[in-house]
Formats: sequence, C-alpha cells, structure tokens
Amino acid sequence: SQTIHQWPATLVQPVGSPLSLECTVEGTSNPNLYWYRQAAGRGLQLLFYSVGIGQISSEVPQNLSASRPQDRQFILSSKKLLLSDSGFYLCAWSEQGTEAFFGQGTRLTVV
Amino acid sequence: GESVGLHLPTLSVQEGDNSIINCAYSNSASDYFIWYKQESGKGPQFIIDIRSNMDKRQGQRVTVLLNKTVKHLSLQIAATQPGDSAVYFCAEKTGANNLFFGTGTRLTVIP
Repeated sequence: SQTIHQWPATLVQPVGSPLSLECTVEGTSNPNLYWYRQAAGRGLQLLFYSVGIGQISSEVPQNLSASRPQDRQFILSSKKLLLSDSGFYLCAWSEQGTEAFFGQGTRLTVV
Repeated sequence: GESVGLHLPTLSVQEGDNSIINCAYSNSASDYFIWYKQESGKGPQFIIDIRSNMDKRQGQRVTVLLNKTVKHLSLQIAATQPGDSAVYFCAEKTGANNLFFGTGTRLTVIP
C-alpha cells in the first residue's frame, strides 16, 4: 500500500533562516506531488506541484521553492524565511486523475 | 481557482441531524471533484469523489451532489455524529495535475 511521510511535524525557525521540508512517498511510481500551505483558520493554498523528476510548477510567486530530486521525494525550501511564511504545510501525492492523499503536515512558526 | 485568505464559514448541527455542506467551484472545465475532511492539526482525508459525468454518488452516510449547470457541489452527511466535527473542503481537478481547494467549511456537531 502507498504511504506518505512528511517531516518534521513541527518547526520553529527564526526570521532569515533557511527552510527545508521533506516529503517522501512509498508504494507508487511517478506520482504527482503537491505542496500546500494552510494559514490558521484558512483554506488550502496550492504552492507547487510536480508531475515528474525535476518538473516543478509554481502556483504562487513567493519566498519558497520546491525540488524533486527523486521520483518519490519532494522538498520545500526557502533561503530566508519571513514571518509570513508561518503556516501549516502539507505534502500530497496522487496518481493521474485520482484523489490526492495527504501527509500529516508540518506546522512552521517563524519567529 | 482557489479561495484563500478567507475565514472559514461555519455550520453547526445537532447530533443525529443531517448536514449539508456546499461548495461553488470556478472552472467549468473541471472534471473531477473530491470532498476532504480535515481534523485539527492533521492533513485532509479523502471522503468521497465524483466525476463530471455523474450528478450523484453515495458512500457510507455521505452523498455528493454535482450540479454542473451552476458549478455547485454539495456534501450531505446523514445522521451527523460528534466525530464528524471537522473542516470540510471540496477540491476540483482540471486535467490530470492541478488540484485546487475551496475555502472549506467548519462543521460543529452539537451533542
């Protein structure tokens, strides 16, 4: 069966520090991969999606970037965090044309 | 598209009553729709999906209705239970890759 792992679960980082959130998927090949952000009490905002290794589409211009160095690995990064980057970050995967399955999320607090 | 930056609308229902959560989607080309349930501090979980060639689909205690004419989606939960309290999101998929979420609705079940 397929599983998705996302870590860390919580993270507190100072303003200006770098960020790296990692997401890996097991049990499937060539999945579509997604990064979402959710501000407290808000909806889900699609940040990036990827349909294959090295293929990243950005939905919202911002202080973040994403990379997919391996088929089942998706990384969300920032060189210098801003206060506004605080939020709940969710990684998800899907096969083409099917529902997406989410990881447990990373709660990022930038202080 | 997405609705972000908005406070979640809320719905309160008495335990045992039926709940109806509504969602308006924006893209008439969307061909696949999904309802997700998100409990506090967790990632969204798949509830039920429907393709654009259908107007109704039933699951266990849940029914999704799709009205393509007015681009409206609804989730009906029968005999609502306290464990149903959560935030519910609809999502639309256009093509194979993009999954966009609605604002979400916070459902509170009153015992």
